Amino acid sequence: NAGVMQNPRHLVRRRGQEARLRCSPMKGHSHVYWYRQLPEEGLKFMVYLQKENIIDESGMPKERFSAEFPKEGPSILRIQQVVRGDSAAYFCASSPSRSQSKGYGYTFGSGTRLTVV
Amino acid sequence: RKEVEQDPGPFNVPEGATVAFNCTYSNSASQSFFWYRQDCRKEPKLLMSVYSSGNEDGRFTAQLNRASQYISLLIRDSKLSDSATYLCVVIPISGGYQKVTFGTGTKLQVIP
Repeated sequence: NAGVMQNPRHLVRRRGQEARLRCSPMKGHSHVYWYRQLPEEGLKFMVYLQKENIIDESGMPKERFSAEFPKEGPSILRIQQVVRGDSAAYFCASSPSRSQSKGYGYTFGSGTRLTVV
Repeated sequence: RKEVEQDPGPFNVPEGATVAFNCTYSNSASQSFFWYRQDCRKEPKLLMSVYSSGNEDGRFTAQLNRASQYISLLIRDSKLSDSATYLCVVIPISGGYQKVTFGTGTKLQVIP
């Protein structure tokens, strides 16, 4: 049973380009969460999605960032016109349905390390 | 006040020592608590859940103090391999779904 799969592991973009980060949740998990971790800092919540729905995007910057979790395929975190400050590790986590996730916690992917040059 | 607060450390302890971390939370309605471990440049991994009655897993003991709104993690007989950052996680009941809040982590360095 594959865990949470994120790709690419490392992504280098020039300032102004677009970055697309992908996350495939664990089999049977319908909830996806994106977190950002700046160097030497903690995990910051960005967005929580279920299939075809954004449940909570309170942690997403208002501009340039968007996320989706389509009916088919992985969840995508998209950053347009990247700037140096976007350089960070982006982690995705998944969980089963809400009622099953109590006391269960998350499973994280191994992250995508975005470097903006 | 932050939702979840941890002392960032680092805690430098010799091998074999006992070390304890606390994590305070501000939302008294919080219901589920966990400790995660994060090794350098790796993803966080679940270390253990924290139950109201306290729970133990080998050298690790987790406790919850609802009155004072904190959870703790005690590590006995520290090993070099315990060196990592320990994140506390709090899950409140909010808006019909569970928004998980991570502490910024406490860094532990076990020294030979």
